[in-house]
Amino acid sequence: EDKVVQSPLSLVVHEGDTVTLNCSYEVTNFRSLLWYKQEKKAPTFLFMLTSSGIEKKSGRLSSILDKKELFSILNITATQTGDSAVYLCAVEATYSGAGSYQLTFGKGTKLSVIP
Amino acid sequence: KAGVTQTPRYLIKTRGQQVTLSCSPISGHRSVSWYQQTPGQGLQFLFEYFSETQRNKGNFPGRFSGRQFSNSRSEMNVSTLELGDSALYLCASSYRTAGANVLTFGAGSRLTVL
Repeated sequence: EDKVVQSPLSLVVHEGDTVTLNCSYEVTNFRSLLWYKQEKKAPTFLFMLTSSGIEKKSGRLSSILDKKELFSILNITATQTGDSAVYLCAVEATYSGAGSYQLTFGKGTKLSVIP
Repeated sequence: KAGVTQTPRYLIKTRGQQVTLSCSPISGHRSVSWYQQTPGQGLQFLFEYFSETQRNKGNFPGRFSGRQFSNSRSEMNVSTLELGDSALYLCASSYRTAGANVLTFGAGSRLTVL
């Protein structure tokens, strides 16, 4: 059974701090790893990683994948109160059947940034 | 460009009833996936539809079913509702290419079963 584990489950930091969120996985037929941010309802896409060792960056957020050790990290520098959200890690894998894909999600890391 | 639209946004049902949820994907997206989100289990995959065919199904009982129409709109149905079915049901759509499959989520349908 595919498994995605995120840590920590929750985190409280002060504005300006740097945080690192972790995601480890055990998945057969790995295709990609994705990070989403969920504030109220709909998770919104942050990054998709398919190749090991290549950092993806968007402003203060960055992420990297290690396919040998089966984990990814999401870094947020100079945190702001608007970064408060649940951050979800998901791994996409292929399954038997014509072009069948599925995302397995971790339970998320709840980040709270206080002024 | 309109996003993924889910209706209804909130609904309350009683045990034993059935419910139908609707999802309109982003224009041009042919794949629609459904997920159940609860505080204890997180997001769990229900099923994926592509070109009106169910391509994959998660580990849920047969009370959970779905379908996709020729315009890519999708519905999911839960029959004989149980208290444990209370959850946020999220629909997501994608282009579903061979190289990338980024899901865009709707705001969800919050189901409460009393």
